[in-house]
Order: sequence, then C-alpha cells, then structure tokens
Amino acid sequence: DAGVIQSPRHEVTEMGQEVTLRCKPISGHNSLFWYRQTMMRGLELLIYFNNNVPIDDSGMPEDRFSAKMPNASFSTLKIQPSEPRDSAVYFCASSLTGSFVTEAFFGQGTRLTVV
Amino acid sequence: KNEVEQSPQNLTAQEGEFITINCSYSVGISALHWLQQHPGGGIVSLFMLSSGKKKHGRLIATINIQEKHSSLHITASHPRDSAVYICAVIPDDKIIFGKGTRLHILP
Repeated sequence: DAGVIQSPRHEVTEMGQEVTLRCKPISGHNSLFWYRQTMMRGLELLIYFNNNVPIDDSGMPEDRFSAKMPNASFSTLKIQPSEPRDSAVYFCASSLTGSFVTEAFFGQGTRLTVV
Repeated sequence: KNEVEQSPQNLTAQEGEFITINCSYSVGISALHWLQQHPGGGIVSLFMLSSGKKKHGRLIATINIQEKHSSLHITASHPRDSAVYICAVIPDDKIIFGKGTRLHILP
C-alpha cells in the first residue's frame, strides 16, 4: 500500500480564495483524521470520521472549515474563504479502528500558505 | 497550564549519547503515543503505551500512570535520530499533543 496520500503537497493562495485539501486513506482503514500543525499551537485535531461518518468536529475552528468523506477512499477539507491565519501544515491520518488508542498512519501533509 | 508538557524543548547531543525526552500530563488518560516528525515533515508513530515499558530497537518508552509521566529514551544516538519527538495523550475520546522536543544529534 502506498500509505496515506495527500494532495497537494504545497498550496499558496490569496486571502478570500477557496482551498480544498484532499486525502486518500490506507485501503481497509475505517477511520480518518484531519490535523493542523502550526508553530504556535503544535498539532491539533480538526475532525475525524469513522466509516465515513463525522464523529467529532469540535476542533474545526470556524464555519469557514468543512470536511467531507463521500466514500471510504477519499476525504476533503475545504476552507472558504481562506485567511492568512489558516496558514499551517494540514495532515491527514488513517487507522484501522475508530479509536485514538490504535496506531495512526500519517500522510506527508499539505503546507498551506494564505497571502 | 498546558495539559501536556514536554521537556526539553530542544536538545543537542553528540552521536552515541543516551537521550531522554520527558512528557508530563495533567489529565487522566487511557493511552499515550510517541510520534517522530522527520525534518522533511512526515510523522510516524513510534509507540502506543497504556502501562509499563515498550522497546523497539534503540528506542525505549516508559509510562507511569500514577505520576502522569512518560519518557522516551534513545540508546546509542545517531544523527539519523535527529527529529521532533511528539507526545500525545488520550483522555476519554480525545487526543492532546505536546509541543514536541526538537532533537539534534551531532556526528
């Protein structure tokens, strides 16, 4: 398996534009997690899905952020409209079960810069 | 006060030295993870602990649930161990990350 695949690896966009980040989890994994990493706050959980269903989105910072998982092999994280403070590295991870006590496998991340 | 504190924040050591990274937390947890983030940014899971000790190669992780403390040890450190090491605790159905320890091993 190629592991968790995220695209794009880098994204530079202007303030106000819509940004869509994509993630393909490891085949057979039932859970998918979106994280954000910044220098100031470190890693934070944004949202996670079990069997394509959003379980906890309390980490999503604002209504400008939305995430979907239309099927077991694809998820998107959308920011609309984007703001400079959204600049961060966004990681997607997947695991076999819907629990934080199992090993998660991370994608390489998408580095987002909003100017 | 942060719920997860790591120390030191930064550590530089010579190749071959024994390394200890500490993680203290203030909440009750069911498990704790140690993660490694490479200079290129990729994150890998090293250990998941709920009690006692685990060993994998030159890496050893311990946890003391009563004292709310975990340590990650690296024996015979090598420049390729240079990375950021992140502790993450699992209270209930949440995950909380430490800010990480940046380790630099000099050849």
